[in-house]
Order: sequence, then structure tokens, then C-alpha cells
Amino acid sequence: EDQVTQSPEALRLQEGESSSLNCSYTVSGLRGLFWYRQDPGKGPEFLFTLYSAGEEKEKERLKATLTKKESFLHITAPKPEDSATYLCAVQADGNNRLAFGKGNQVVVIP
Amino acid sequence: DAGITQSPRHKVTETGTPVTLRCHQTENHRYMYWYRQDPGHGLRLIHYSYGVKDTDKGEVSDGYSVSRSKTEDFLLTLESATSSQTSVYFCAISERAGDRPTEAFFGQGTRLTVV
Repeated sequence: EDQVTQSPEALRLQEGESSSLNCSYTVSGLRGLFWYRQDPGKGPEFLFTLYSAGEEKEKERLKATLTKKESFLHITAPKPEDSATYLCAVQADGNNRLAFGKGNQVVVIP
Repeated sequence: DAGITQSPRHKVTETGTPVTLRCHQTENHRYMYWYRQDPGHGLRLIHYSYGVKDTDKGEVSDGYSVSRSKTEDFLLTLESATSSQTSVYFCAISERAGDRPTEAFFGQGTRLTVV
């Protein structure tokens, strides 16, 4: 069974204080790892897809990296508008389903 | 934004009644999914579809059924609603690009309360 564990569950940051979110995964064969952002009362919004170890993707203050066992979402100099829950999901070989972690809730304080 | 519409957006229903949630897409994507999201559990897959009339179960499918008679519509039915099915339900769609999976796009969700 595919497993995805995200840590920390919740994180409070001062504006400008950089940090990283962790997503550890166990799958039979990774086809893709996805990061989403979710704001309260809304559906998840796609951020990045990573396919193989060593791959990196960037978007504004966010940078996602991937190893064979985990992914990190680095938030550089966060702003209050980066406050959200960040979700990690994996898709394994042989299926078209996503298995999600429980999320990292991030609050950025002005 | 991906063209995904969920209806209704909010619903309160009584225990034991059947409920149908609708997901409509305008993207012509092959794959459609129903998830539920609950505090402490994250997003869990209920059922998914890989084509018209082609569906399969997810990890929490008991008490739910689905149908897909057209590419654009995916219906989720709670056959006899229970309080444990109070949740936020999300529909998602995706397509495949060759051998690589592509991202799933999510609807805005349906908040269902069973009283």
C-alpha cells in the first residue's frame, strides 16, 4: 500500500523566515510526486510535479526537490499570502490514482 | 482554471436518504476521481473512472457508488447516507501524457452534512 507522511503537521513562520516541509513516501514504484496548495474552503491547487530523484522545480518563493525516499518543499522568505495547507501526493506504477499525505498547515505571521 | 463544476456546493440531508453529487468537466479529460476530505485523514479516494462506464473502487468505497455515462459527468451516490459520511467531497480530473502521469485538477468541493 502506498504511504505518504508529511511533517511537520503545522508550522508558524515569521514573514521572511525560510523553512522546509517534508514529504516521505513509500511506493512500489514512483511514477510521479505532486505538490498542491489548499486554501480554506477551496479545492487543492496544483503546484509541481516531480518524476525522478534529483529533480527540482521552482515557482516564486517555492522550490520542490525529490530524492528516492522523500520530497521537500522549501519556502524562501515567505509572505503572509503563502499561508495555506500544502499537500503531497504520489502516483505509483500500475495505477492512475493519487495517494495523499495529511498536509502541512503553514501560517506566516506579518 | 480547469473547467470542473461540482453540484451542489452545500447539502444537508437526513440519515438514511440517498444523495447524489455531480461532477461536470469541460476539459474532455479521461480520468475522473471522487475524494473525501476529513480532519486528521487528508484526502482519501472513494472511486475513480478511467473512461465512460469504466470505474473502480478506491480506499473508502463502502456505502458509495458511481456512474459515468458521458465523458463530462461523474456522479457519486450515497445509497443510504450515514453521519460518518459527513465530509467535504472533491472531484478531480486528469489526463495522461504518454507514460507520464499528469497533474489532477480539483473542483471547489461539496460540503455534505448528514443529520
